[in-house]
Amino acid sequence: TQLLEQSPQFLSIQEGENLTVYCNSSSVFSSLQWYRQEPGEGPVLLVTVVTGGEVKKLKRLTFQFGDARKDSSLHITAAQPGDTGLYLCAGAKSGNTPLVFGKGTRLSVIA
Amino acid sequence: DSGVTQTPKHLITATGQRVTLRCSPRSGDLSVYWYQQSLDQGLQFLIQYYNGEERAKGNILERFSAQQFPDLHSELNLSSLELGDSALYFCASSVGGTSGVEQYFGPGTRLTVT
Repeated sequence: TQLLEQSPQFLSIQEGENLTVYCNSSSVFSSLQWYRQEPGEGPVLLVTVVTGGEVKKLKRLTFQFGDARKDSSLHITAAQPGDTGLYLCAGAKSGNTPLVFGKGTRLSVIA
Repeated sequence: DSGVTQTPKHLITATGQRVTLRCSPRSGDLSVYWYQQSLDQGLQFLIQYYNGEERAKGNILERFSAQQFPDLHSELNLSSLELGDSALYFCASSVGGTSGVEQYFGPGTRLTVT
């Protein structure tokens, strides 16, 4: 059983469209992180959220942590081909437990 | 560039063999984490070292072992390799010893067992 479920698994959209991907769990996390991974490279940290209900923006990317700290979403506005990649969420149940990763959402933005 | 380096980039070996993967953390980071990434399992945590000591253990097989040296670089040893060990192996580092902090990943080592 995967502790963090990400949906959708695959997403292919046209340049300029908006999209939202989700990261859900039945467990509470003390913090949650989003990474983007491109083929042949390691994941790159995008953001960390720690407070329930927290919203963080990174240019066209908006991240939200659920009020109960069990889920998170990533919204991309006006997607661009450069946004193409594997988006991973990762949660920490506490400061002393390992990060648990979801299997990711593979996004393809077509020009 | 995250500042984390991993060698080699690619490794092809036969079943039953033993290999060593190397990782150098970002300057100033004391924690090193090892992950295995496969298509069906996603990114799986293997083990964490903090300042030379094992801090946390995940789904690491008994055939695998790791260590962190005084200069803080780390090595992951994989022995009696099986076809199913073929995967991407990532190293990550962080400043502190708590696993929930932000981690910075290296470029990975792609291991192919034939």
